[in-house]
Amino acid sequence: DVVMTQSPLSLPVTLGQSASISCRSSQGLVSADGNTYFNWFQQRPGQSPRRLINKVFNRDSGVPDRFSGSGSGTDFTLIISRVQAEDVGVYYCMQSTHWPPTFGEGTKVEIK
Amino acid sequence: EVRLVESGGGLVQPGGSLRLSCSASGFTFSNQWMGWVRQAPGKGLEWVAIIKEAEDEIRYVDSVKGRFTISRDNAKRSLFLQMNSLRGEDTAVYYCARGWAGDLWGQGTPVIVSS
Repeated sequence: DVVMTQSPLSLPVTLGQSASISCRSSQGLVSADGNTYFNWFQQRPGQSPRRLINKVFNRDSGVPDRFSGSGSGTDFTLIISRVQAEDVGVYYCMQSTHWPPTFGEGTKVEIK
Repeated sequence: EVRLVESGGGLVQPGGSLRLSCSASGFTFSNQWMGWVRQAPGKGLEWVAIIKEAEDEIRYVDSVKGRFTISRDNAKRSLFLQMNSLRGEDTAVYYCARGWAGDLWGQGTPVIVSS
């Protein structure tokens, strides 16, 4: 299985500041169709996961433009600009190029 | 409204069985891969199984092969997970999710395997 490694695992952030989360995959994520099926999810306390970003940098419908994804190959980044209180939760990266889709360990974002 | 609603979770003894259901609405269910993802208490997320639109392709994670069976009824817009020979390590919230990339999730149904 593809191993997804996130860092940091805990991220205290000041309101209004930016937060950056990294994710590294144990193998390349480019599919046979040329797409890179790499995603970011947000799980707020007590809620189901919600996908924020698909195929590295595409924001899902309704996701604020404060969230941006980048990366290629095996290294990917999620940046949350101007962090707000509603951004508190755990963020997971996930690859869906190879079966089974695999998640990172999660990064807990909290307000300082 | 586009949504997924799971049901069927509960408390079961080790070695027992449980059948989870997921009801879909607001989108063309029969055109989508559908799957199950679980989250053990205080832990991360793990894909369990996935099924193609016409059931002509099914995949399982190794830890549930031979014990779990995923199926669907497109006419009833429903997804199922039959879980047999349950173990303590199967204790988790089970989510129904749309597609390999999980662009839509249900609220989850808890499964507790304990004597």
